[in-house]
Amino acid sequence: AQSVTQLGSHVSVSEGALVLLRCNYSSSVPPYLFWYVQYPNQGLQLLLKYTSAATLVKGINGFEAEFKKSETSFHLTKPSAHMSDAAEYFCAAGGQGNLIFGKGTKLSVKP
Amino acid sequence: EAGVAQSPRYKIIEKRQSVAFWCNPISGHATLYWYQQILGQGPKLLIQFQNNGVVDDSQLPKDRFSAERLKGVDSTLKIQPAKLEDSAVYLCASSLDSGREQFFGPGTRLTVL
Repeated sequence: AQSVTQLGSHVSVSEGALVLLRCNYSSSVPPYLFWYVQYPNQGLQLLLKYTSAATLVKGINGFEAEFKKSETSFHLTKPSAHMSDAAEYFCAAGGQGNLIFGKGTKLSVKP
Repeated sequence: EAGVAQSPRYKIIEKRQSVAFWCNPISGHATLYWYQQILGQGPKLLIQFQNNGVVDDSQLPKDRFSAERLKGVDSTLKIQPAKLEDSAVYLCASSLDSGREQFFGPGTRLTVL
């Protein structure tokens, strides 16, 4: 069965600093992988997705993620954090329908 | 393009009462999902519809939860009777077809007292 683990329930960075949110998946076959962002009192918005094409995936708002099969990881990065990036981020794995989500990482950005 | 609509946005009920949530997916989307998001956790799939048929309801507590999508468009999720542990945000999502990108609604926050 697929599972998704996000390391760190809360990450705090300074504005302009590198953002690194970690995600590991467990699956016998590399699944489709996704990162979603959730702002307070809003639904989830897709940031980016990996579907077995390029291993480095670029998403919206300057985010990108790299699929590493050997490490079963799909970490999310952004070179320079902005105050508007403060939100909760969810990693998810899926195939033909159902998404399995991690527990989420809340990102705080300090001025 | 209008997004996924959900109502109500907030609901407070007492345990053992009944509650219903409504979802209107994006026009033309065949697949509709209901997720439960408990505070501090990621969303968990409750049920997936393909048009008006159920594809996956393996994690739906069928003794108290029910859902329908009679005409293959709108959907309702019902809880009867509610328990304290049902307090959560209920998210509806839709996609063009199974396996395609899912678009999420704003959710309904349920508090059971």
